[in-house]
Amino acid sequence: AQSVTQPDIHITVSEGASLELRCNYSYGATPYLFWYVQSPGQGLQLLLKYFSGDTLVQGIKGFEAEFKRSQSSFNLRKPSVHWSDAAEYFCAVYNFNKFYFGSGTKLNVKP
Amino acid sequence: NAGVMQNPRHLVRRRGQEARLRCSPVKGHSHVYWYRQLPEEGLKFMVYLQKENIIDESGMPKERFSAEFPKEGPSILRIQQVVRGDSAAYFCASSPRSGQGSTGELFFGEGSRLTVL
Repeated sequence: AQSVTQPDIHITVSEGASLELRCNYSYGATPYLFWYVQSPGQGLQLLLKYFSGDTLVQGIKGFEAEFKRSQSSFNLRKPSVHWSDAAEYFCAVYNFNKFYFGSGTKLNVKP
Repeated sequence: NAGVMQNPRHLVRRRGQEARLRCSPVKGHSHVYWYRQLPEEGLKFMVYLQKENIIDESGMPKERFSAEFPKEGPSILRIQQVVRGDSAAYFCASSPRSGQGSTGELFFGEGSRLTVL
């Protein structure tokens, strides 16, 4: 069965520091991969997506993610975090009509 | 340029009452998904619908929950005889198409937060 694992439930970083959020998936083929962000009380907004081609994808708000087939990972990164990045981040896999979401990582940004 | 519209944003019900959550997808989108989000948990898939058809309801509880997406009008998620455990945020998402050739991207509404007293 397909699954998405986000091993870090909470992460705290200082403003200006770099960020990496981990995501691992379990799926036989190369899936469609996504990162979404959810601000408190809001819906989810797409940050970036990977379908094929270049394994390093750029997204909105300065985020990027790298697909590593050998590790079944799709980690999200940002070189310098801003206070407004504090939110919850969800990794997702899409396969034949269904999306599978990880349990999310809550990001706290220290001033 | 309306996105996915969900209403009500907040709904309070007493145990045993019915809750109806509505979702209007992005204009032109014919695929609707419903997800439930419990506190401190991620999104759990409930049901996937196309116009007038339920495609996948494998995430729906077998009793009390139902969903529809009629030819005209919004998609409805209906919860009968609500219990406290139904308290959650319910998110609707839409997509223009699905399967082969789909971009797979979901557009989310802002959610309906159900509180059962």
